[in-house]
Amino acid sequence: EVRLVESGGGLVHPGGSLRLSCAASGFTFSSYEMSWVRQAPGKGLEWISNITTNGIITHYAEPMKGRFTISRDNAKNSLYLHMNSLRAEDTASYFCARGGSYFQFWGQGTLVSVSS
Amino acid sequence: DIQMTQSPSTLSASVGDKVTLTCRASQSIRTWLAWYRQKPGKGPHLLIYKASSLESGVPSRFSGSGSGTEFTLTISSLQPDDFATYYCQQYNTYPWTFGQGTKVEI
Repeated sequence: EVRLVESGGGLVHPGGSLRLSCAASGFTFSSYEMSWVRQAPGKGLEWISNITTNGIITHYAEPMKGRFTISRDNAKNSLYLHMNSLRAEDTASYFCARGGSYFQFWGQGTLVSVSS
Repeated sequence: DIQMTQSPSTLSASVGDKVTLTCRASQSIRTWLAWYRQKPGKGPHLLIYKASSLESGVPSRFSGSGSGTEFTLTISSLQPDDFATYYCQQYNTYPWTFGQGTKVEI
């Protein structure tokens, strides 16, 4: 069974940093591109970033460029999202998803709240 | 960025109804479109990819059609599990973008 479990969310002050993790199981992690998608409370879905199987090529949505960094550790079956210079508008549930273009499986999400 | 517009925003229906949801792209995305269903507090679930390909394990009551800028998701006979919010997503041009969602309610 494919499982994606996000962790690392929490309350952070504006300007702060956070690292999200996604633990993958039930499939050959190193064979799949991966992505992060977020959803502000009561709002729609917003694509953040994706990464190729070897971690060399990444893409980002414009509001995240320069502030967020996606990475992966295939030996640990894990995906990461490093978030810096966080703003109130970054408050959302963050989902990791299998796939680089469309998203075949999703985790349950981890909530990030940016507030003073 | 490519804008995805879904209609209606909310749809009231009953179990057994046939419903059709629409998604329009601001420019051609060929057939690079996916549909998802999301229930409250959960991650989305892939239903359709490449506009009309049914994801493995998804019931056959779901079907997708369209190309270019106009797409539809049809549920042939609404089941209790289908009362949820549906999103379309284009993956033709970066950044990937989603529609604002259609909520299907009783």
